[in-house]
Amino acid sequence: DADVTQTPRNRITKTGKRIMLECSQTKGHDRMYWYRQDPGLGLRLIYYSFDVKDINKGEISDGYSVSRQAQAKFSLSLESAIPNQTALYFCATSGAGTGGYEQYFGPGTRLTVT
Amino acid sequence: GNSVTQMEGPVTLSEEAFLTINCTYTATGYPSLFWYVQYPGEGLQLLLKATKADDKGSNKGFEATYRKETTSFHLEKGSVQVSDSAVYFCALVKAAGNKLTFGGGTRVLVKP
Repeated sequence: DADVTQTPRNRITKTGKRIMLECSQTKGHDRMYWYRQDPGLGLRLIYYSFDVKDINKGEISDGYSVSRQAQAKFSLSLESAIPNQTALYFCATSGAGTGGYEQYFGPGTRLTVT
Repeated sequence: GNSVTQMEGPVTLSEEAFLTINCTYTATGYPSLFWYVQYPGEGLQLLLKATKADDKGSNKGFEATYRKETTSFHLEKGSVQVSDSAVYFCALVKAAGNKLTFGGGTRVLVKP
């Protein structure tokens, strides 16, 4: 089984709809991240959480919110989706051990907003 | 702020050819440097890393050396295979904060 899972894997939604992307991990890591990937722009950090009570904005947090329901679960919400939020979204985790630098990624969620 | 610049792709080459993907960075202090690989339809996987100047990271025949003087971390492989076709991302992280900064990615296509 995958260590970092994301649901759904693909989603098409309409402008103005609320949508939630979910991430779960079995690695026992305390740190979790949400990124979006756009062609030619690499991955950009949306939000990150170093533990259940610690939530931080990344470089492109506008239009997004997150919830850390438990150490193993980190959800990303788009309150009112817009077409330029069409992208590939990745969840990642890292642990404080081994320097905490390595991040482990889920398989991604492809979101299309029409 | 921190930034990573890597060569644009796509890079197309034949099997057994030599691969180089250039990566340069801008950061204060001494970041740790990474190469991540994304195979079609999958998430990113850590390929190799280097945490201090002159370190060489290596994995699966790929190598990259942390060059502080040129702020570079170029990825190389001596003989590529079709299975190396993927998108490669250079990234850095500072000692504090643990937030990765990624380059734009380089798509590599290896033809038989």
